[in-house]
This record gives sequence, structure tokens and C-alpha cells, in this order.
Amino acid sequence: EAGVTQFPSHSVIEKGQTVTLRCDPISGHDNLYWYRRVMGKEIKFLLHFVKESKQDESGMPNNRFLAERTGGTYSTLKVQPAELEDSGVYFCASSQDPGGTYNEQFFGPGTRLTVL
Amino acid sequence: AQSVSQHNHHVILSEAASLELGCNYSYGGTVNLFWYVQYPGQHLQLLLKYFSGDPLVKGIKGFEAEFIKSKFSFNLRKPSVQWSDTAEYFCAVNPGYSSASKIIFGSGTRLSIRP
Repeated sequence: EAGVTQFPSHSVIEKGQTVTLRCDPISGHDNLYWYRRVMGKEIKFLLHFVKESKQDESGMPNNRFLAERTGGTYSTLKVQPAELEDSGVYFCASSQDPGGTYNEQFFGPGTRLTVL
Repeated sequence: AQSVSQHNHHVILSEAASLELGCNYSYGGTVNLFWYVQYPGQHLQLLLKYFSGDPLVKGIKGFEAEFIKSKFSFNLRKPSVQWSDTAEYFCAVNPGYSSASKIIFGSGTRLSIRP
């Protein structure tokens, strides 16, 4: 079974440009999460989808970030316009339906975003 | 606010040495506790988890962790490390009311093993 995949693996853009990151969760996983790690710091939660609905977006840094999950499958995270402080590694994770037992979050390889 | 503290940023050990990585969290309610590991060039993966029951949990590759509720701690241990344990280790929690909620991570501990 394929794991969580993310595209691209690395993106280098200039300040002010737009970048869109994509995450494909494990097939059948209703929960999809985005996290970010700024260099040297902790991995921070950005938001959580349950199917196509945003369950928790408390970690989104500002309105330059837009996450979507149309159809409840893959998700995109758009940064527009990008700023220098947006540089970091963006991780996506997915887990199954929260049916009472623990649902492990499986992580993708991450997208390394560099804003120059 | 919930937070996780990892005591060491970088730990360097020789092979066969014993390992203990400290982790403390701040959250007053029931929590689920985790250690994740990221080997060089690989995905973040779950090493072990604590939900309830025996506070001493065993994970993959000979790792174990002990939950001490009174100390809000969840330290990771391994009696004898190997060169292949070189990786970054993350302690993490999520609130116990929902296993599908967000995970809060510590800043990570980089472990380097000298052959």
C-alpha cells in the first residue's frame, strides 16, 4: 500500500511568488493534517481536514496560507504571496476515520520550501 | 497552551552506550504520548506510543519509554545503541479526548552514534 506522498519534494521561490504544495494521503484515510517545521524548531501543526471539511485550522499562521481538500482526497496548501519566514519543511500526514481506537498519523516525506 | 520540551538538542554517543532522551509536556488532561523518529533521508515514523495501561511501553528496535504522570514526563530509553540509531527523535503529545486531533511536537533531539 502506498504511503503519504507529497509534491514537490523541494521548491525554491522568490519572495512575493506563489507556491502550491500537494499531499496525497493514504487511500481511505479521512483525516489529513498539515504540519510545518521551520529550521531548527519544532514541527508545528497547521490544520486538520476530516474528509473535505476543515476540522481545526488553529495553526494556520495567516491569511497568506490557503488549504483545500476538494472531494476529500488529496489536499493542496497554497502560500500567496510567499515571505522569507515561510521557508521550512511542510509535512502532510493522514489517519483513518476516528472510530474510537487510536488512529496513527502516517507522515509524508515533506516538501522543503525555500523562499529567497 | 500545550507544549513539549525535549531536554537535549544534540546527543553524541558511542555504540553500545545506553541512551535516555528526556521529554516533558505541559497539559493537564489525559494525553496520548508518542516518540517519532526520522532517519536520514526517510519519513517521520512512529517509534512507540502510550495510550493507557502499563506506563512502560516498548517500541520498535529495542526502544522503550516510561510515562510518569506525576512528572509529566515520557523519557525514551535504549540500553545499548547502534550506529543505525543515528536519527532525529521527536517527543509528541495529543489530547486524549480525540486520537484524531493534532499532534504537538517537541523541538527534536538529534542523536549521533560513533561507530
